[in-house]
Amino acid sequence: QVQLQESGPGLVKPSQTLSLTCTVSGGSISRVSYYWSWIRQPAGKGLEWIGRIYSSGSTNYNPSLKSRVTISVDTSKNQFSLKLSSVTAADTAVYYCARVRVGYPTITFDIWGQGTMVTVSS
Amino acid sequence: DIQMTQSPSSLSASVGDRVTITCQASQDISNYLNWYQQKPGKAPKLLIYDASNSETGAPSRFSGSGSGTDFTFTISSLQPEDIATYYCQQYDNLPLTFGGGTKVEIK
Repeated sequence: QVQLQESGPGLVKPSQTLSLTCTVSGGSISRVSYYWSWIRQPAGKGLEWIGRIYSSGSTNYNPSLKSRVTISVDTSKNQFSLKLSSVTAADTAVYYCARVRVGYPTITFDIWGQGTMVTVSS
Repeated sequence: DIQMTQSPSSLSASVGDRVTITCQASQDISNYLNWYQQKPGKAPKLLIYDASNSETGAPSRFSGSGSGTDFTFTISSLQPEDIATYYCQQYDNLPLTFGGGTKVEIK
């Protein structure tokens, strides 16, 4: 069965770039009908979609973060990554990677990583 | 962006009770709505997609209904393991957006 695992620093300094990687195991990241996404959740708050990527490299981002976000994919490593620049304390959150099942028109986050806590602090 | 408004934000019910959560979209989203369950310290889990279809493996006591702007999520008989926060999520338009969540507790 497909599993996702986030990795990356748990502490990032303000104004620096947050970098996370999601490793996909148990299945190919290039499989048709699936996108790969990042979602975040500040402590005690709701879920915010950051963006998604297809194995071809095609991306869509949340306009609220678009100027600071880059999502990329490495099919040879079965990984996709998130970079968020110029971070502030407001970017402190649990970051989840998720598989996006696309059924036209259905779009669901059907498999999630366990999440990784990132704190922005000096 | 499409705003998703859930109510109530929290509720307390007894084991065996029928629990209903509502989700309202800021515009017509047809049936392009999913429901997720998030237990404390865990990632969300997909329960319902396309407003009313049960995800494989989801207990039959969970159901969803609605279309357009108004949606309902129901737990037919609340169980202790259902203690969680429930989120709706629309996929009619990007950006994909979630409701604010409904925290379900046992009375």
